[in-house]
Amino acid sequence: RKEVEQDPGPFNVPEGATVAFNCTYSNSASQSFFWYRQDCRKEPKLLMSVYSSGNEDGRFTAQLNRASQYISLLIRDSKLSDSATYLCVVTHMDTGRRALTFGSGTRLQVQP
Amino acid sequence: ETGVTQTPRHLVMGMTNKKSLKCEQHLGHNAMYWYKQSAKKPLELMFVYSLEERVENNSVPSRFSPECPNSSHLFLHLHTLQPEDSALYLCASSQVVWGYETQYFGPGTRLLVL
Repeated sequence: RKEVEQDPGPFNVPEGATVAFNCTYSNSASQSFFWYRQDCRKEPKLLMSVYSSGNEDGRFTAQLNRASQYISLLIRDSKLSDSATYLCVVTHMDTGRRALTFGSGTRLQVQP
Repeated sequence: ETGVTQTPRHLVMGMTNKKSLKCEQHLGHNAMYWYKQSAKKPLELMFVYSLEERVENNSVPSRFSPECPNSSHLFLHLHTLQPEDSALYLCASSQVVWGYETQYFGPGTRLLVL
């Protein structure tokens, strides 16, 4: 089983739609969780951290479910500019050192 | 736009060449990373320099050799690479505080090995 799993998509949605991505992780000792966004042929950029209580940033809402070991990202009122690949990132301690694991990403295509 | 710069942005090299990738961070961070991103695969962590300590991914071949002369600069020395090493090489930096960090990436070097 992969350490971090994401549905690769693509998710094709019309402008204005609400879309949700899930990400599951296998290490129950994982400590920190993030969503990154990567545009085609560009570097990943931090979208938002994911906190236990859930957090919202404008049209984006991230939630963490430790019991089920998944995090989610909800995008409301999708814009064309939201088209990108969304990467789930999970950190944990591995033999005393931090380890970051990236998911393969979920591709979103917002269509006019 | 970001505080992490990488040069060159594109590199084509033969299997017998030696080249180096350079990364510089202007964010005052205390950790730097090299990642490899191949098509349709997740980012693979290659090397970590954290608080001047080097942590390696043991699966990285010895034809990749990192160097971190100070907290702002990171190099990846390449020699006798293989065509399967063609990928996007990303540098990242972070400020590690109480084990918590957020990574910021450079624009990457797109490498093609012929």
